[in-house]
Amino acid sequence: GENVEQHPSTLSVQEGDSAVIKCTYSDSASNYFPWYKQELGKRPQLIIDIRSNVGEKKDQRIAVTLNKTAKHFSLHITETQPEDSAVYFCAASTNTGTASKLTFGTGTRLQVTL
Amino acid sequence: SAVISQKPSRDICQRGTSLTIQCQVDSQVTMMFWYRQQPGQSLTLIATANQGSEATYESGFVIDKFPISRPNLTFSTLTVSNMSPEDSSIYLCSVGARGQPQHFGDGTRLSIL
Repeated sequence: GENVEQHPSTLSVQEGDSAVIKCTYSDSASNYFPWYKQELGKRPQLIIDIRSNVGEKKDQRIAVTLNKTAKHFSLHITETQPEDSAVYFCAASTNTGTASKLTFGTGTRLQVTL
Repeated sequence: SAVISQKPSRDICQRGTSLTIQCQVDSQVTMMFWYRQQPGQSLTLIATANQGSEATYESGFVIDKFPISRPNLTFSTLTVSNMSPEDSSIYLCSVGARGQPQHFGDGTRLSIL
């Protein structure tokens, strides 16, 4: 089955700096890659996603890049703010369409300091 | 996106008992899933809840321990049976419609004494 690795496990940045979280996946058939943000005690919330036919997607301060050849994808957060502090999970899906089971990475705890 | 209501939000249970968690969606959805998130850990898929048929379980999860029902396209239940302290986790349902991303309920925080 699919295996998703995520690094780093913790990341501390100063407010205004950029943060990058990287994930690799094992199944070349995976074609959908969402990112979720989970604040303490809250549900995971989708922040951005990318399909395998796209190399990069951006939404304001958040961007995701995908390298299908290397089987890795990354989350980029620019101009970080204290409210970006949370645990971020990457995920991969091996089925067509987005309503398919997800395999999650181990998570990255991002701390944005003042 | 769909509004997902999960009940109970939390519970403290005795060892050996069972608890049923409900997941209600405000619109019909194609797919419903149940995940477990152990303290400080990532999300692990337990099973896919199939409407009108038996759930599809992931490796390491069995129907006797985690029976699931899905009587229609807006509702599902997960039962955690014969609970032990190792079952202390957050249990989350998620839903996905065709062509739409998955979204999660608020989760059920379960503690077993």
